[in-house]
Amino acid sequence: DAGIIQSPKHEVTEMGQTVTLRCEPIFGHNFLFWYRDTFVQGLELLSYFRSRSIIDNAGMPTERFSAERPDGSFSTLKIQPAEQGDSAVYVCASRHRSEYGYTFGSGTRLTVV
Amino acid sequence: SQELEQSPQSLIVQEGKNLTINCTSSKTLYGLYWYKQKYGEGLIFLMMLQKGGEEKSHEKITAKLDEKKQQSSLHITASQPSHAGIYLCGADSGGSSYDKVIFGPGTSLSVIP
Repeated sequence: DAGIIQSPKHEVTEMGQTVTLRCEPIFGHNFLFWYRDTFVQGLELLSYFRSRSIIDNAGMPTERFSAERPDGSFSTLKIQPAEQGDSAVYVCASRHRSEYGYTFGSGTRLTVV
Repeated sequence: SQELEQSPQSLIVQEGKNLTINCTSSKTLYGLYWYKQKYGEGLIFLMMLQKGGEEKSHEKITAKLDEKKQQSSLHITASQPSHAGIYLCGADSGGSSYDKVIFGPGTSLSVIP
């Protein structure tokens, strides 16, 4: 079991560019979560899915952020356009519907210059 | 909305010493999770507590949920350098949003050999 796969591990981009982060959850986990860790405010929940449906995206900071999970497996988090304040570690997590305990990815460290 | 507080914010202990980290919720906890975070390794699930008064142990780490289910403590006995990291408590927000977890700000632990 490779665990949750997040790509890329590191991303450096310029302001105004579009950034797309990807998460491959554990196979069979129908819940998928996107968190942002700014190391100042801690882990903030951005949005989460049950299968392919967004259940809650109230944590998305602005309309520049969007998340998709088109077929209920992998998910992408897009920031368009990126701003310096978006620099953070973006962490993906997943959970099976009938189990407690979440599995977390190692995160993508995003730096916007 | 539910909020979690953790204390202390950071902790530096000598190897072999015992320590306790606390997590306090503004609302009743339906499920309380303890995670450890190390850079590049993602979040590691430690334990989950659900019942008032419940106590669980894993190796030298013990977590307890109080009877009122609003406070949890994590106790490490005979700390080792491998225990260093950021400890996060997370909670099910309860009600219809039971499937998402919010996190406390974290406690940074350093263990000096």
